[in-house]
Amino acid sequence: DAKTTQPPSMDCAEGRAANLPCNHSTISGNEYVYWYRQIHSQGPQYIIHGLKNNETNEMASLIITEDRKSSTLILPHATLRDTAVYYCIVSHDSNYQLIWGAGTKLIIKP
Amino acid sequence: ETGVTQSPTHLIKTRGQQVTLRCSSQSGHNTVSWYQQALGQGPQFIFQYYREEENGRGNFPPRFSGLQFPNYSSELNVNALELDDSALYLCASSPEQGRAKNIQYFGAGTRLSVL
Repeated sequence: DAKTTQPPSMDCAEGRAANLPCNHSTISGNEYVYWYRQIHSQGPQYIIHGLKNNETNEMASLIITEDRKSSTLILPHATLRDTAVYYCIVSHDSNYQLIWGAGTKLIIKP
Repeated sequence: ETGVTQSPTHLIKTRGQQVTLRCSSQSGHNTVSWYQQALGQGPQFIFQYYREEENGRGNFPPRFSGLQFPNYSSELNVNALELDDSALYLCASSPEQGRAKNIQYFGAGTRLSVL
């Protein structure tokens, strides 16, 4: 079973920041948080990952709480092309598999 | 740098038949993972190959088997197809080292329909 809990769906207005929450209360000390997204009819796409520090790249920012029991993916200026299912995954870096939940369906509205 | 490519894109088979799906990994990646994704669900891990050896397997029966070739491309074979095998099959490649191991690069998938 997936070790994360995400809301099934969210809406966000185009141009605004989209904040996607993820709970991972049973995360262990050496497990990373990964975020992927899947646009309709495509394969999943890696977005970002982190261990305990906040991370930022050209796609998004990842904010991990100090106790590491939850995190938030932030898309700073959402566009219609960001409409997708977003998956939060917790995994040991040495683990050979990713265990996926149902994700959050994010709909960006004009 | 070429991405992950899968073939065919769509396939229709009948129950009891066998199918082979193919995947070319991203340049420089020696690890390939296969996933099954049913409609409306997240991907489910089938197995992973690392340097031509199976490196881990999910909860799938033995009729799901795979191969990885010296050029790191891979095949997924499914025997005795069942109706429930209808799904999107995803291939992902990843580089070997350290922190990048779970950054996986996915192909667009093969949509398999079993009638």
